[in-house]
Amino acid sequence: GQNIDQPTEMTATEGAIVQINCTYQTSGFNGLFWYQQHAGEAPTFLSYNVLDGLEEKGRFSSFLSRSKGYSYLLLKELQMKDSASYLCAVRGTYSGAGSYQLTFGKGTKLSVIP
Amino acid sequence: DTGVSQDPRHKITKRGQNVTFRCDPISEHNRLYWYRQTLGQGPEFLTYFQNEAQLEKSRLLSDRFSAERPKGSFSTLEIQRTEQGDSAMYLCASSFDRQVYTGELFFGEGSRLTVL
Repeated sequence: GQNIDQPTEMTATEGAIVQINCTYQTSGFNGLFWYQQHAGEAPTFLSYNVLDGLEEKGRFSSFLSRSKGYSYLLLKELQMKDSASYLCAVRGTYSGAGSYQLTFGKGTKLSVIP
Repeated sequence: DTGVSQDPRHKITKRGQNVTFRCDPISEHNRLYWYRQTLGQGPEFLTYFQNEAQLEKSRLLSDRFSAERPKGSFSTLEIQRTEQGDSAMYLCASSFDRQVYTGELFFGEGSRLTVL
């Protein structure tokens, strides 16, 4: 099975940097993914990590350590529009049963304040 | 806008009734997924189609749930004899082959089901 943990809520100030952590336990691993979901809207894809290290994409970066079962999403220069839930998701295998499904965490609700 | 579209956006029904949701994926996407999301939770995988073939079904998908994608284009998700526990947002997502590796799914706005 798969278990994903991330903080329920976080608050950060506009212009600051925030790090959202995600830990996971899976029976297999083939990728960790981050999605953003504004209230009442569909999730939208932000990033993916398959190998250890940091992936940078504009103001967003995502880090993965497979040996530690750990990832984080780093948001820089926070803007009010970044207020949303951030979902960590894991794919357990790359072929066979389960290879097409992502297992999502419960999400971290980020509130950006002035 | 040529994103994933779902219909209806909202459905209120009485317990025991049947409901059907429709999803129209992005036109060139051959992969289609159904997820369910309840308040405060992340999306939970229900089922997956590659073209018209249903390749994966979650244990969450009881025998009251059935999904089809008859011509490899739009898909329907039917829930028979609805129960209050079925109340949730039903999300459809699609992707193309090259996005399987990146895990990038394009989600629709969802169909919100309320069972009274």
